[in-house]
Amino acid sequence: AQSVSQHNHHVILSEAASLELGCNYSYGGTVNLFWYVQYPGQHLQLLLKYFSGDPLVKGIKGFEAEFIKSKFSFNLRKPSVQWSDTAEYFCAFPGYSSASKIIFGSGTRLSIRP
Amino acid sequence: GAVVSQHPSRVICKSGTSVKIECRSLDFQATTMFWYRQFPKQSLMLMATSNEGSKATYEQGVEKDKFLINHASLTLSTLTVTSAHPEDSSFYICSARLAGRGELFFGEGSRLTVL
Repeated sequence: AQSVSQHNHHVILSEAASLELGCNYSYGGTVNLFWYVQYPGQHLQLLLKYFSGDPLVKGIKGFEAEFIKSKFSFNLRKPSVQWSDTAEYFCAFPGYSSASKIIFGSGTRLSIRP
Repeated sequence: GAVVSQHPSRVICKSGTSVKIECRSLDFQATTMFWYRQFPKQSLMLMATSNEGSKATYEQGVEKDKFLINHASLTLSTLTVTSAHPEDSSFYICSARLAGRGELFFGEGSRLTVL
């Protein structure tokens, strides 16, 4: 069965610290992967996505993620976090037809200390 | 980017009443919309896939008679929580997939409180 897991439930960092949030998926075929972010009181929005090609994907607000096929991972990184990055982050793994559902990880709450 | 709008954003109702939540794609046509439920401090739980012009596909454990989904047009899907009870109180989120692109666009969510 397809699944995606996030092992960090709550991460607390100081401003300017580096960030890495883990995401592992379970699927044997070609994958597409997403990271979504939900800022307090706001919609979910897309941070970045991997479809094919360069495994290092750049997203908005200085975030990036690296797809490592051998590790079944798609970890989210940011070299220097800001207080405004405080949010909930979700890794997601979609199906391939237009009607396929998207499977979300359990989410990681990121708290940044000013 | 594509915009998905949900209404109402907040609703409080008495136990036993029914509540309808609308999800609209404002600037694109969505043949498929998804309905999620999000409990506090938890991830999104997919409830059902809403297909325009056909019956919704419900996830295991989701009562189709309790959560009625209608997708009558390419820009509107509705979720009706029938005979609501306090345990139905939650944050309901819809999303739509833009044809030809993989990611979902989300509505702002609707917080339902059943007294």
